[in-house]
Amino acid sequence: AQSVAQPEDQVNVAEGNPLTVKCTYSVSGNPYLFWYVQYPNRGLQFLLKYITGDNLVKGSYGFEAEFNKSQTSFHLKKPSALVSDSALYFCAVRPGSARQLTFGSGTQLTVLP
Amino acid sequence: GAGVSQSPSNKVTEKGKDVELRCDPISGHTALYWYRQSLGQGLEFLIYFQGNSAPDKSGLPSDRFSAERTGGSVSTLTIQRTQQEDSAVYLCASTGEGANYGYTFGSGTRLTVV
Repeated sequence: AQSVAQPEDQVNVAEGNPLTVKCTYSVSGNPYLFWYVQYPNRGLQFLLKYITGDNLVKGSYGFEAEFNKSQTSFHLKKPSALVSDSALYFCAVRPGSARQLTFGSGTQLTVLP
Repeated sequence: GAGVSQSPSNKVTEKGKDVELRCDPISGHTALYWYRQSLGQGLEFLIYFQGNSAPDKSGLPSDRFSAERTGGSVSTLTIQRTQQEDSAVYLCASTGEGANYGYTFGSGTRLTVV
């Protein structure tokens, strides 16, 4: 069975600084990896995905993520954080053979002005 | 429609009552998923519909939970004899054809059992 770990419940970063939200995964076969963001009282919004190809994936709102197969990681990054990036971030994974996503427990990102 | 629509957005019910939550997926999306998000928790998979195939019910927490999808479109999640631990946000998502599709989520139904 697949699993996702987001080791940090909370990440705080100053506006303008780079941010990283960590994610590691366990899945049999080639993974499909996703990041979603959830703003208060809203559903989840898709940020980016890794299916195959270039290990560095660029997504919405200036976010990017790097797939590292040897470390089974898919950390979310942004070079310069904005206060408006403050939200709950979820990493998700599924094996290529399945459709169901398994989500991590989420990381609350707070960008301080 | 343009997005995944869920109703009601909020529901308060008394313990022991039955509730129905509705999800209207994006037109043409063949797959529909229900997840539950409890306070401070991640997303817990409940059930998955794909076209005309039998649904994957492996995530339903008890036999009080059931779901159906009529005509390959709208889905209803029913919780019978609600308990306080059922209080959560219930999220619906749909996706189109192709193995690399991500989900499009609705805004969820916040269920409070009092």
